[in-house]
Amino acid sequence: SQQGEEDPQALSIQEGENATMNCSYKTSINNLQWYRQNSGRGLVHLILIRSNEREKHSGRLRVTLDTSKKSSSLLITASRAADTASYFCATDPNTGNQFYFGTGTSLTVIP
Amino acid sequence: EAGVAQSPRYKIIEKRQSVAFWCNPISGHATLYWYQQILGQGPKLLIQFQNNGVVDDSQLPKDRFSAERLKGVDSTLKIQPAKLEDSAVYLCASSRTSLGETQYFGPGTRLLVL
Repeated sequence: SQQGEEDPQALSIQEGENATMNCSYKTSINNLQWYRQNSGRGLVHLILIRSNEREKHSGRLRVTLDTSKKSSSLLITASRAADTASYFCATDPNTGNQFYFGTGTSLTVIP
Repeated sequence: EAGVAQSPRYKIIEKRQSVAFWCNPISGHATLYWYQQILGQGPKLLIQFQNNGVVDDSQLPKDRFSAERLKGVDSTLKIQPAKLEDSAVYLCASSRTSLGETQYFGPGTRLLVL
């Protein structure tokens, strides 16, 4: 089974609101990444957080990582219609050479 | 810099036919990945190359899928023969060095097997 699972599966908010999505994973990791996928397009890297980091910011994005709970969250502040997309977490377990994407959260931002 | 290029963008074939996808990674990127993304799911890593060597192909269905990266640059993924369940988007990605670093994705090839 895949390493990561996002929650919620779908999220709908008004423009200007904040969006929070969560990712849980199963085994110890080297790092965790978040990607965005607009409808019918490839994935775009958003942010990478290493296992020894707890929080990271990039523009309107804030990512936290709790390795004791094997979970991460992605917060998008002041959302825009252009943020409408699917968001995936991806993990790099520290055993083996695999790389796992979660099932994704579908975010809809209503103008 | 130019992004990851993939072709074709769309392909429709009948089951039992063969198909090939091509990927050209970002110049200078040592690592190349092929993913399969079935509708409604996250991408699944099929194979990872470091230069022209295979690092991991544990999730590649080797009875029908094959991939190569000659000369450590562009790569080809082949399916022969195709099954209905192979209908998916096939994504190619590259990164500067190794697994776990930022990956840059191509637009994908959407395959429909009838």
